[in-house]
Amino acid sequence: TQLLEQSPQFLSIQEGENLTVYCNSSSVFSSLQWYRQEPGEGPVLLVTVVTGGEVKKLKRLTFQFGDARKDSSLHITAAQPGDTGLYLCAASGGTSYGKLTFGQGTILTVHP
Amino acid sequence: EPEVTQTPSHQVTQMGQEVILRCVPISNHLYFYWYRQILGQKVEFLVSFYNNEISEKSEIFDDQFSVERPDGSNFTLKIRSTKLEDSAMYFCASSVTHSNQPQHFGDGTRLSIL
Repeated sequence: TQLLEQSPQFLSIQEGENLTVYCNSSSVFSSLQWYRQEPGEGPVLLVTVVTGGEVKKLKRLTFQFGDARKDSSLHITAAQPGDTGLYLCAASGGTSYGKLTFGQGTILTVHP
Repeated sequence: EPEVTQTPSHQVTQMGQEVILRCVPISNHLYFYWYRQILGQKVEFLVSFYNNEISEKSEIFDDQFSVERPDGSNFTLKIRSTKLEDSAMYFCASSVTHSNQPQHFGDGTRLSIL
C-alpha cells in the first residue's frame, strides 16, 4: 500500500510570511498533484508534476517534484489571507489506473 | 470552464436503504472515479471506471457498492444497503486519460446515514 505523508498538518502564520508544505513517500510515483479544498467543496487542482526535479510556478506558489519522484513540496511566498485553506497532495503510481493516493492535508491559516 | 457536477449535494438515508449518487463528468473525459472522505480523515479511492468497466477498485468497494454509466453523460455510485459507517463525503472525479493526467473533482455529495 502506497502511503503519502504530508506535513505539517496545521500551519498558522502571519500575512507576508513564507511557508513550505511537504509531501513524502517511500514509493516512487508517476505523477503528483496538488489540490486546494475549501469547506463544503471538492478538491480544486492547482498543479500536476510528472518529471523528477520538475519545478512549476503558479503566481506566488512554487511546486517541486523530487528527483527520485518520491516527494514534493509546495512553497508559498508572501502568504495572504486569501491563501487560507486545506492543501492536499495526491499521487498516482505507474501500475494503477489513475488511482490517487492522498496525503492527510495541511490546514493553512494566514492571519492579516 | 467545464466542471464535474454531482447531485444531490446532501443525501440523508435510513440505514439499510439503497442510495444512488450521481455525477456528470467533464464531457471529453474518458476515465471516471469515485472517492470518499470520512469526516476528519483522508480522501480515499473507491473505484475507477473506463470503457464501461471497472478498471480498479479498493478494498472499501465491496459487494454493496456498484457503479454504472447508464447513458452518455451520467456516472453513478450505488450503495445497496447502507451502513452507518458509509456516512461520508463522496467525490466524483474525471480525467482525460489515466496516465499522469489531472483529475478534476466535483463538489461532492454529503451522505448521512441515520
